[in-house]
Amino acid sequence: TQLLEQSPQFLSIQEGENLTVYCNSSSVFSSLQWYRQEPGEGPVLLVTVVTGGEVKKLKRLTFQFGDARKDSSLHITAAQPGDTGLYLCAGAYVEVEDNDMRFGAGTRLTVKP
Amino acid sequence: DTGVSQDPRHKITKRGQNVTFRCDPISEHNRLYWYRQTLGQGPEFLTYFQNEAQLEKSRLLSDRFSAERPKGSFSTLEIQRTEQGDSAMYLCASAGVRTGELFFGEGSRLTVL
Repeated sequence: TQLLEQSPQFLSIQEGENLTVYCNSSSVFSSLQWYRQEPGEGPVLLVTVVTGGEVKKLKRLTFQFGDARKDSSLHITAAQPGDTGLYLCAGAYVEVEDNDMRFGAGTRLTVKP
Repeated sequence: DTGVSQDPRHKITKRGQNVTFRCDPISEHNRLYWYRQTLGQGPEFLTYFQNEAQLEKSRLLSDRFSAERPKGSFSTLEIQRTEQGDSAMYLCASAGVRTGELFFGEGSRLTVL
């Protein structure tokens, strides 16, 4: 059971379009990370957000952490075929003392040329 | 290459056989994680080591699964009496003391026939 809800589950768009994917939970995160995973490979870290309301940019990718630290979004501007992959969010919960990062099921993005 | 390495990358076995996976983390990282990922899902936490101590195990980890990190460096994950439901990608990740950011290996894909 995934404790983090990611939406949409699948997204197929044309090159040049913009898109936003979401990561939501009912619990508060102490930190949240976004990863991208390609088929047959392990996830690769894109960004870590820690502070409520924080916005981070990575070239055409903009990451936002919700004010209450319960949700996050990833916006991609002018998507390219190279952006195709599985986008995963992972969070460490404030009220849980263990150290495991919980992952969402991911958003599978396909960018068509 | 100084990233996380996993061996073997692929393993095909018959039901009932035992399999062992190895993970070599980034050398200065003291934390090591094992995750399992099935098709269409995000990584599911299995277990976590800080140095050689196994600090947490998921309820997903039945008694057929055992993980070790004897010297606080590499780790092994053994699955005894494999079942078809064990077929998955087994991911290892490591993290340093100061940050929760996970660095993943490329995974070991297990197919149980």
